[in-house]
Amino acid sequence: GESVGLHLPTLSVQEGDNSIINCAYSNSASDYFIWYKQESGKGPQFIIDIRSNMDKRQGQRVTVLLNKTVKHLSLQIAATQPGDSAVYFCAENIGQAGTALIFGKGTTLSVSS
Amino acid sequence: DGGITQSPKYLFRKEGQNVTLSCEQNLNHDAMYWYRQDPGQGLRLIYYSQIVNDFQKGDIAEGYSVSREKKESFPLTVTSAQKNPTAFYLCASSFLTSSEQYFGPGTRLTVT
Repeated sequence: GESVGLHLPTLSVQEGDNSIINCAYSNSASDYFIWYKQESGKGPQFIIDIRSNMDKRQGQRVTVLLNKTVKHLSLQIAATQPGDSAVYFCAENIGQAGTALIFGKGTTLSVSS
Repeated sequence: DGGITQSPKYLFRKEGQNVTLSCEQNLNHDAMYWYRQDPGQGLRLIYYSQIVNDFQKGDIAEGYSVSREKKESFPLTVTSAQKNPTAFYLCASSFLTSSEQYFGPGTRLTVT
């Protein structure tokens, strides 16, 4: 079936570096994408989202890029901090709002100081 | 404070017993969802509900049941028919007009 996936299960960076977490999706009908951060033993927290009519969206220290041509999504974290260490999931919505999201398997980001 | 609460945080049961996980939200969200998360995996949808007294099966509904008698509450029952019930269970909610889902803190269920 169609699914959202991530290129790398783990990413290790030094404090202060920029991090890039990638995600590939297969459903060209998806019109909404979202990144979540999940710390150990907790529920996912919203980071940033983007609609399919955009190719870039910026938040505080985070940027999401969407390349619909190659069905690729990325999350960029500037000046990565130890508190950014977590599992990051991308998710897509292929139906109407109020229907379920489809999640990728996640990338574990480890930040060393 | 507005948010989603799940209780308990940890739950232990013997094989063959049914167990009900609680999920409550005071965000006035219409839709509520249950996901299951296994180690190293993404979230998989069990059930979701867009309105009171109505719900739909997700990808892995077998062995689970839900009810939606109130807008604020969406309890999940893990029945003895669920072959591998040990997992981390996450509840979420959203407005019907939004795809952004808010998650609760999760319940870790261990069945031995």
